[in-house]
Amino acid sequence: IAGITQAPTSQILAAGRRMTLRCTQDMRHNAMYWYRQDLGLGLRLIHYSNTAGTTGKGEVPDGYSVSRANTDDFPLTLASAVPSQTSVYFCASSAGTGGGDTQYFGPGTRLTVL
Amino acid sequence: GQNIDQPTEMTATEGAIVQINCTYQTSGFNGLFWYQQHAGEAPTFLSYNVLDGLEEKGRFSSFLSRSKGYSYLLLKELQMKDSASYLCAVTGGSYQLTFGKGTKLSVIP
Repeated sequence: IAGITQAPTSQILAAGRRMTLRCTQDMRHNAMYWYRQDLGLGLRLIHYSNTAGTTGKGEVPDGYSVSRANTDDFPLTLASAVPSQTSVYFCASSAGTGGGDTQYFGPGTRLTVL
Repeated sequence: GQNIDQPTEMTATEGAIVQINCTYQTSGFNGLFWYQQHAGEAPTFLSYNVLDGLEEKGRFSSFLSRSKGYSYLLLKELQMKDSASYLCAVTGGSYQLTFGKGTKLSVIP
């Protein structure tokens, strides 16, 4: 069982380019999340999906979009990358959206925008 | 809004006990998580508290006081492999998880 996989592991991207970060889980979890982690700022929620077909905005959604066509996949797209989007991106999933539902994290994607 | 505070860095000696504190102010409360994150890796789940009191799990224990908006993570018999960042996270009224900035623990011989 792989859990959550993310691709690519790392990427260097020119500003203005479009980029999609991929996230796949095999746990049949209903909820999925995208976070970015920056030094001194901690993990911040970008977008989330409580169930397939629905998405919502987190704390820092500007410049990012997501889709949830099925249970397993939750891609994150940067339409036109900017240097401030340089970060480590983590995808996570949880069985449900109750207060006690543990979120499990993927290995992360390290993105550098030049 | 949500506000979560925890110390930025701590240092402790191998074999000792260390307590990492977390205070929070949230709109609603539906539980508090602790995660461990080694450098360059993903966060991994350590504990969850929703009721007041102490939850013990091996060398790690987590305490919660909802009235004080306070939690701590207690690590006993410290090992070198415990050197990591420890993230406090709160599930608020919206059921979204808000993370503190993390406490970087360095265990020294």
